[in-house]
Amino acid sequence: GAVVSQHPSWVICKSGTSVKIECRSLDFQATTMFWYRQFPKQSLMLMATSNEGSKATYEQGVEKDKFLINHASLTLSTLTVTSAHPEDSSFYICSARSLGNTEAFFGQGTRLTVV
Amino acid sequence: QKEVEQNSGPLSVPEGAIASLNCTYSDRGSQSFFWYRQYSGKSPELIMFIYSNGDKEDGRFTAQLNKASQYVSLLIRDSQPSDSATYLCAVIWYGNKLVFGAGTILRVKS
Repeated sequence: GAVVSQHPSWVICKSGTSVKIECRSLDFQATTMFWYRQFPKQSLMLMATSNEGSKATYEQGVEKDKFLINHASLTLSTLTVTSAHPEDSSFYICSARSLGNTEAFFGQGTRLTVV
Repeated sequence: QKEVEQNSGPLSVPEGAIASLNCTYSDRGSQSFFWYRQYSGKSPELIMFIYSNGDKEDGRFTAQLNKASQYVSLLIRDSQPSDSATYLCAVIWYGNKLVFGAGTILRVKS
C-alpha cells in the first residue's frame, strides 16, 4: 500500500504556543487529505478536508482560525494548532487519497500534549 | 442521527471462532465502505473495502454489504488473539469525506 508519513509522532508544548504537524505522501500524489482528531476511547472525528491548492473545508464546530491547514503541494499538507490549550491535547491523524481512488491511507498519527 | 453507527462492544469471542462486526450508515448515496483496525495508540490500518452488494473475501476476512438495508459487516474467521483491537467502519460521505463510526472493541480470548 501507499505510504503516508506524519511528523512528529508526538509533541509536548506549552499552553499558548503553536504546533505544526506535517503529513507527507511518499509514493503517490495526494490530491485530497483529511485531518482527524481522536480523543481517548473515542473514534476519529473528521476536522477538515483539503484538496491540493484549495482552501480546506472544515467540519462544523472546528475553528478554522485555530486549526490552520495548508495543502500547497500534492505530497504535503500541514496542520497548525495555534494558541494551543490543554483541551487541544489529542491524537491527530492525517489521511491521504489520490485522484480517482476512494481508498485513503493514514499517517502514523501525532500525539499532542499541551501543558 | 449518527452518520455511521457501530456497537461499541466489547465483543468477546474464543480463539478460532468467527467474529461478526456490524455497521449501519445513514446516507443512502454512500458508495464506498471500509473496515479499519486500530490498535491502542496507533493509527488505523485498512483491512478491506467494499463497493458492491454482496460478499467480498480476503483471507480470513469477509466484508458484506447490503445497500438496501444500509449495513455493512465484517466477518473474521479463525479469530486470533492478535485480532484483538478496535474495528472501525468508515463510509465515503457526500462523495468525498471519509467518516468513521465509533468503533467496536473486539477481544479474542485464547
